Amino acid sequence: NAGVMQNPRHLVRRRGQEARLRCSPMKGHSHVYWYRQLPEEGLKFMVYLQKENIIDESGMPKERFSAEFPKEGPSILRIQQVVRGDSAAYFCASSLDRVNTEAFFGQGTRLTVV
Amino acid sequence: AQTVTQSQPEMSVQEAETVTLSCTYDTSESDYYLFWYKQPPSRQMILVIRQEAYKQQNATENRFSVNFQKAAKSFSLKISDSQLGDAAMYFCAYRVQGQGAQKLVFGQGTRLTINP
Repeated sequence: NAGVMQNPRHLVRRRGQEARLRCSPMKGHSHVYWYRQLPEEGLKFMVYLQKENIIDESGMPKERFSAEFPKEGPSILRIQQVVRGDSAAYFCASSLDRVNTEAFFGQGTRLTVV
Repeated sequence: AQTVTQSQPEMSVQEAETVTLSCTYDTSESDYYLFWYKQPPSRQMILVIRQEAYKQQNATENRFSVNFQKAAKSFSLKISDSQLGDAAMYFCAYRVQGQGAQKLVFGQGTRLTINP
């Protein structure tokens, strides 16, 4: 059973470009969470999605950031018009249900904005 | 708002010795979970140990154990017989039980170095 798969592992974008980060949850998991880790800091919650629904986006910046988890395919975190401050590691986690089961993390995508 | 504080940015220990990493948290909730995650250089977040707040018994996983003091809102991690493979960033995290999301609140992390 493959774990949470994130791609790409590393992504370099120039300022002003768009970044698309993909997350395929573990098989059977329909709950996905995105976290951001700035250098030398802990992970910060961004958004929680179920299939086709955004449940909690309280940690998402108000502009340029969006997330989706379509009925088919991976969850996508999209950052438009990237700036240097967006450089970070972005982690995805998935869980079987919303309450009592463990969330499993992917290996993250390191975004570098040049 | 819930917060998690790790007051030790860095710790080091001799191989085979014991080390304790500190964590405090702030919450008004009564039911919650606490976790310790390990993040090696590969960046993979690995769950080390978890503790349900309603359980008085401290959780243990092989060489890893916690000292959970609910009244003091303290949750320290003890690593016994330290091994070179234990070197990593360690993050303490909190989650409200029963909340409609697995939203974890993380501390700032402690970098653990193992000296051979």
